[in-house]
Amino acid sequence: DGGITQSPKYLFRKEGQNVTLSCEQNLNHDAMYWYRQDPGQGLRLIYYSQIVNDFQKGDIAEGYSVSREKKESFPLTVTSAQKNPTAFYLCASSMRGGLLYYGYTFGSGTRLTVV
Amino acid sequence: EDKVVQSPLSLVVHEGDTVTLNCSYEVTNFRSLLWYKQEKKAPTFLFMLTSSGIEKKSGRLSSILDKKELFSILNITATQTGDSAIYLCAVGSSGNTPLVFGKGTRLSVIA
Repeated sequence: DGGITQSPKYLFRKEGQNVTLSCEQNLNHDAMYWYRQDPGQGLRLIYYSQIVNDFQKGDIAEGYSVSREKKESFPLTVTSAQKNPTAFYLCASSMRGGLLYYGYTFGSGTRLTVV
Repeated sequence: EDKVVQSPLSLVVHEGDTVTLNCSYEVTNFRSLLWYKQEKKAPTFLFMLTSSGIEKKSGRLSSILDKKELFSILNITATQTGDSAIYLCAVGSSGNTPLVFGKGTRLSVIA
């Protein structure tokens, strides 16, 4: 079955550590996105990528980094520069230029907690 | 800057009630408005509304888009406890720019 997989489901980070969240899709989608969700805040865009080896900052990119070396994969690194990383992180994918017809497919999310 | 505003932010109703969730937007080059339901983790797609499809219905859920007044509503009739969720509204503009989401409406349906 085609889908989008995020791992791990739960992640604990010590202060000062970098951690990487995985996002893999087998839908042959061109575009991939990372959103952060805090209670009462909706989804806020961190980074997105329309094609391999290219990505753009979203509204809250500070303290995060991404790479897009393969079409299927779009990992997100939460660096020590991100001062308040505790949140629920959602990855999504879509056909490029297909928002009009398809919207997004979402992963099940990773809940990151700083300890 | 593109903006999507949902209201109310939270709502508690009894089973069997009808609810209306609101979504207003300010977006340059509007293309589509989408509604998602988020129960625990991954949001799931409900409706997409565009210039060529301003009214959608699926079972007890329906949605309309008013492009002139720049808003959409999501109606749920005969609510059930399984309707309890966060309902997200998102707007897409032209080109390949990402969807812009509202803060969501948290709906709680009590028996």
